[in-house]
Formats: sequence, C-alpha cells, structure tokens
Amino acid sequence: SAVISQKPSRDICQRGTSLTIQCQVDSQVTMMFWYRQQPGQSLTLIATANQGSEATYESGFVIDKFPISRPNLTFSTLTVSNMSPEDSSIYLCSVGQGGADTQYFGPGTRLTVL
Amino acid sequence: AQSVTQLDSQVPVFEEAPVELRCNYSSSVSVYLFWYVQYPNQGLQLLLKYLSGSTLVESINGFEAEFNKSQTSFHLRKPSVHISDTAEYFCAVSPMNTGFQKLVFGTGTRLLVSP
Repeated sequence: SAVISQKPSRDICQRGTSLTIQCQVDSQVTMMFWYRQQPGQSLTLIATANQGSEATYESGFVIDKFPISRPNLTFSTLTVSNMSPEDSSIYLCSVGQGGADTQYFGPGTRLTVL
Repeated sequence: AQSVTQLDSQVPVFEEAPVELRCNYSSSVSVYLFWYVQYPNQGLQLLLKYLSGSTLVESINGFEAEFNKSQTSFHLRKPSVHISDTAEYFCAVSPMNTGFQKLVFGTGTRLLVSP
C-alpha cells in the first residue's frame, strides 16, 4: 500500500485568504483524488487529478475555488481560495493505481476558517 | 447516482460484546462495496471490500461484512469487540462503471468500546 503524507496537518486561517495543501506519495501513482469532510458529514469527492491533464471537478466544485496542481506522479496540491467559515473541513487526498480496486488515504488536513 | 446511508451515528458497546454497524446503499448501477476505518488522529484505512464472489468478506482483525443485494445492504459485524476497535467506520460504494475512481461515502458510525 502507498504511504501518503499531507501538509499542513491543520491550520487556522482568516476569511478571504487562501491555503495550499500538499499531498506527497512514496510511490508513483496514476490517480490522485481530493475529498472534503465537513463536520458531521461524509467525505465528498472534490476532484480527480491525473498527471499531465487538467483536474476533473465534481458537481458543486469549481477550479477557481479549488485549484489543483499535479506536477508529477508523486505529488499534488489543493488550494482553498478566498476562504469563508463554510470551508472549515478536513481535506483528504487519496491515491489509486489504474485498474487497482483500492484507494489509499492521507491523514487529512484540518482547516478552520475564522 | 449513488447514496450510502449509515443510520447509526454512534454505537456504544462494552468490550467483548458483539456489534453490528449498518450500511444501506442505493444505486442505479451495480457497485463495489467498501468499509473504511479511521482511528483517532489517523487517516482512513481500508477494512474490507466486496468486489465479487462470496458475499461474506472478512478482515484480518475479525470484522466481517455480508453483501445483501436484495436488501442493498453491507452491514459490518464483529462477534467480540476490543477497546482498540474504537474508531469511526465509513461505508462506501464505487459504481462498477467508473474503474474505482469514484467513491461515495456514508456519514460514518463512531464505535465506542468501553471496558
């Protein structure tokens, strides 16, 4: 299984600012995913990021608000832009290999927006 | 579209007692089914999965889940829980036509095991 790290592990931010979350994997992976887990709610897929192509966003999520980079096969970033208190969530990245049947998750980034 | 329902947000149980965490889903297409576990201050870990074959699947730490297609359920059970099983458990489905790229999660069930 892949070992995934995320930075930062948590942060407290002011509204109107932006935060970039990093996801690092210890092996090359085809697919990387970003999820949001709002308080008391389930995980929701934000977007899928494959290296060499634009991220694919799920309904309700847009690139201007959540720009994603995927510069290589072991790294991705998610930026939460122009934050508001409603963006307070845990953000998780996960990885999967093409044809593999399991996604592996990072430890998450706990974001609080004041 | 898919949805996953975990009716119990929290399940308190005494150590060595049996437990069942319920999961029901709805989907217009066939799905794969997963249980993930999140221990305190840790990331999600895959507990077990149903892809095909026997409808009863087991994990290495004594949990089992049974896929019931007619009831669209995938309940998780353990005959005797330990304190260390205290965690949040998430049921998830993945439509078979998405190549495991799309996971839809339930809201989670917090299992609290006390001595």
